[in-house]
Amino acid sequence: GNSVTQMEGPVTLSEEAFLTINCTYTATGYPSLFWYVQYPGEGLQLLLKATKADDKGSNKGFEATYRKETTSFHLEKGSVQVSDSAVYFCAFNTNAGKSTFGDGTTLTVKP
Amino acid sequence: EAGVAQSPRYKIIEKRQSVAFWCNPISGHATLYWYQQILGQGPKLLIQFQNNGVVDDSQLPKDRFSAERLKGVDSTLKIQPAKLEDSAVYLCASSLDGGAGEQYFGPGTRLTVT
Repeated sequence: GNSVTQMEGPVTLSEEAFLTINCTYTATGYPSLFWYVQYPGEGLQLLLKATKADDKGSNKGFEATYRKETTSFHLEKGSVQVSDSAVYFCAFNTNAGKSTFGDGTTLTVKP
Repeated sequence: EAGVAQSPRYKIIEKRQSVAFWCNPISGHATLYWYQQILGQGPKLLIQFQNNGVVDDSQLPKDRFSAERLKGVDSTLKIQPAKLEDSAVYLCASSLDGGAGEQYFGPGTRLTVT
């Protein structure tokens, strides 16, 4: 069945460090891929997305590339800030709109 | 643009009691989702509506959970009777037309069953 496997957390980094959060998925067909973020005390919100193979989604300095051959969508940021501390969820939608989420990775950035 | 509204934000009930959650999606969004998010886990889809019809309710525990979306706008999710393991955050989300599009989430309702 459909599933998303995310790198387990928590992840703790110093400010300006490089971030990678791994995500792989199992799905039929060609899903759209998403990263959602949940800041402390707030609801889930879209961070970035990619809808077809080799697309790169980007927002707020974060990037992720849709790799169909490895069924991956790893999240990266070159220099994290304290304000990036949050829980990050990898997810996909099938063409029929069925959603599957990973279990989330908690990121803490220390000054 | 107003976001997805949910109420109540918090609810504490005893096991075997019933509870209802309300969701108002973004205006014009045809697709509405209800998720259950247990602490430390990702959201799990309970039910998906397209307008007022059910698209997917395969993970809804139908012996105790029910949901409706009358007139294709607001939606209500009910649990009756509640169990301890139902303690979770219940998230409502909407999207313009389902399919592969992004979802917009409400703030959630945190349910505690004692």
